[in-house]
Amino acid sequence: DAKTTQPPSMDCAEGRAANLPCNHSTISGNEYVYWYRQIHSQGPQYIIHGLKNNETNEMASLIITEDRKSSTLILPHATLRDTAVYYCIVRVDYTGTASKLTFGTGTRLQVTL
Amino acid sequence: DTEVTQTPKHLVMGMTNKKSLKCEQHMGHRAMYWYKQKAKKPPELMFVYSYEKLSINESVPSRFSPECPNSSLLNLHLHALQPEDSALYLCASSQAPGGGRSSYNEQFFGPGTRLTVL
Repeated sequence: DAKTTQPPSMDCAEGRAANLPCNHSTISGNEYVYWYRQIHSQGPQYIIHGLKNNETNEMASLIITEDRKSSTLILPHATLRDTAVYYCIVRVDYTGTASKLTFGTGTRLQVTL
Repeated sequence: DTEVTQTPKHLVMGMTNKKSLKCEQHMGHRAMYWYKQKAKKPPELMFVYSYEKLSINESVPSRFSPECPNSSLLNLHLHALQPEDSALYLCASSQAPGGGRSSYNEQFFGPGTRLTVL
């Protein structure tokens, strides 16, 4: 399974953009990059996913490098409620059965006033 | 309804007890998952059910026994656990079992059951 590497922690001022990097240098061509976050003691929450192209939704933007070896999650205007652990994940599909999410160690994002 | 529910929220059990964790979803998902999460660690996959059949077992000890009685329910039966099994147990479900050309396979997670083994 492709492994992801993330910085253990980051700080961001409220209202600013939070840019969370992730390295996944062993990713295969058909493996998707997923981002989830986990607010203290809750279940992980899906944020966004992508394969090759940059993606944007109501929560965040995902920038994937052309060689697909790294990506960046962007929260455009961070709020205190965005304080959480953010996981970058490479999804492995098993044809005809199920997909597998292998969580990395994650980045603990602290949004401050 | 986009919710995965888990019961109980908290469970304390002795090493000789038998207990069960329950998970339920009504989103029509056909894949369901059990994860284990130790404090300050990421979730680790334990089991995956696809169309009510066990498709992935991540070499989990036999004292954990999963069961999928129907497409909406997932149980985890616990027996003779050890104190090191204390953790947050998370259930998740997804729309498609994966594979093929599906690019959208978001896993919806429940809030978890916090298990303490004495």
